[in-house]
Amino acid sequence: KAGVTQTPRYLIKTRGQQVTLSCSPISGHRSVSWYQQTPGQGLQFLFEYFSETQRNKGNFPGRFSGRQFSNSRSEMNVSTLELGDSALYLCASGLSYNEQFFGPGTRLTVL
Amino acid sequence: DAKTTQPNSMESNEEEPVHLPCNHSTISGTDYIHWYRQLPSQGPEYVIHGLTSNVNNRMASLAIAEDRKSSTLILHRATLRDAAVYYCILRGGETSGSRLTFGEGTQLTVNP
Repeated sequence: KAGVTQTPRYLIKTRGQQVTLSCSPISGHRSVSWYQQTPGQGLQFLFEYFSETQRNKGNFPGRFSGRQFSNSRSEMNVSTLELGDSALYLCASGLSYNEQFFGPGTRLTVL
Repeated sequence: DAKTTQPNSMESNEEEPVHLPCNHSTISGTDYIHWYRQLPSQGPEYVIHGLTSNVNNRMASLAIAEDRKSSTLILHRATLRDAAVYYCILRGGETSGSRLTFGEGTQLTVNP
C-alpha cells in the first residue's frame, strides 16, 4: 500500500508570493491533517479535513488555507508569503483517529 | 490539550533497553496517551498508544502508571535506527478529531 505522498518535496518562493502544496493520503483514508514544523516552534497543527469539510483548525492566520477533494486528496495554500513561513509542511492521513500516517513533507523556503 | 513533560535528551547503547519517561499530571480521564517518533529527515511515525493498561506492539511497550500521571515508552533492544525524537502526546478521544499537539519531545541518541 502506498504511503502518504506530498508534492513538491522542495519549493523556493519569494516574499509576497503564494504557494500551493499537495497531499495524497493513503487509499481509503478520509482524514487529512496539515502541520508546520520549524526549528523555533516545533510541530504545529494547521488544520484537519474529513470528507471535504474542515473539522479542526489550529492557530494560524487566514493566509493559511486548505481544502479537500472528493477523492480525499488535499491542498494547502499560503498567500502573501513571509520569511517566517519557511518551514517543513507535513501532511498526515488516518483511517481512525488513533494512528496518523505522515508524509515526507514539503520543504518551503521563502526568500 | 493537557500538557506533557519529557526530558530534552537521552542516550542509550545499542542492544540495550531504553526507558523514555513522560509526565502528564493534568491528564483527564478520557485522554489517551500516544507516542510518535520522528527520524531524521522524515515525518513523524506512530509508535504506540494506550489509555490505562500497559500495551505492547512490535515496536515498543507502553507502561502507564496506576494514577495515569506518567507513562514510560520502552524500547526493549535499541538499534541505531531508533535514534529519533520521541513525542509523548495526550489526545482527548474521538471528539478531538485527528489533531496531534506535539511538545518538544526527547531526542534519543543510540551509541554503537
